Amino acid sequence: DVKVTQSSRYLVKRTGEKVFLECVQDMDHENMFWYRQDPGLGLRLIYFSYDVKMKEKGDIPEGYSVSREKKERFSLILESASTNQTSMYLCASSIPDGQGGNEQFFGPGTRLTVL
Amino acid sequence: AQSVTQLDSHVSVSEGTPVLLRCNYSSSYSPSLFWYVQHPNKGLQLLLKYTSAATLVKGINGFEAEFKKSETSFHLTKPSAHMSDAAEYFCVVRGGNSGGGADGLTFGKGTHLIIQP
Repeated sequence: DVKVTQSSRYLVKRTGEKVFLECVQDMDHENMFWYRQDPGLGLRLIYFSYDVKMKEKGDIPEGYSVSREKKERFSLILESASTNQTSMYLCASSIPDGQGGNEQFFGPGTRLTVL
Repeated sequence: AQSVTQLDSHVSVSEGTPVLLRCNYSSSYSPSLFWYVQHPNKGLQLLLKYTSAATLVKGINGFEAEFKKSETSFHLTKPSAHMSDAAEYFCVVRGGNSGGGADGLTFGKGTHLIIQP
């Protein structure tokens, strides 16, 4: 089974802190994604990566950055956390599929609270 | 750009009665469509997917969805609801609005399914 793990289930940080959210997948997937989930808004894509050291902005990248130094690990970084970044963060991975229909496998999520 | 609209934010049904969760999509090309489910305090799980093969797609736990191009719809159904079906359901189209590239996904805002005993 594909397994996507995230470093923390719950995290509480203070405004202005630098925050690292870690994601690891064990199936050698090329694609990795970071989403945030907010009530009534569904999931919104923050950043994604197609390969090591490669990153692309998603729909809401402002206030975030990412790092992918190894194929299995994709980190989301909040350079200076703000209260409007309080949210559930979900990591996902997938195999590239030019034909369409590729399934994304999701981690359990990290619920981040910024005070 | 691709988008999906889930027509109901909440749906409440009695146990044993049919379930209908509605989704309309917009796509500039032949879409790949998915339904994901999220149970409380659990990760997202793929229910089913449509990728231009059969228009009636069967998924896990007795769910199915029908792709109707003329109506741009991909509604999720189940003949008989079970208490364990209570969850958040997301309709998803492949391809991002402005990001995610060809492999990205665009999610609807979700439908919360409530099962009454």
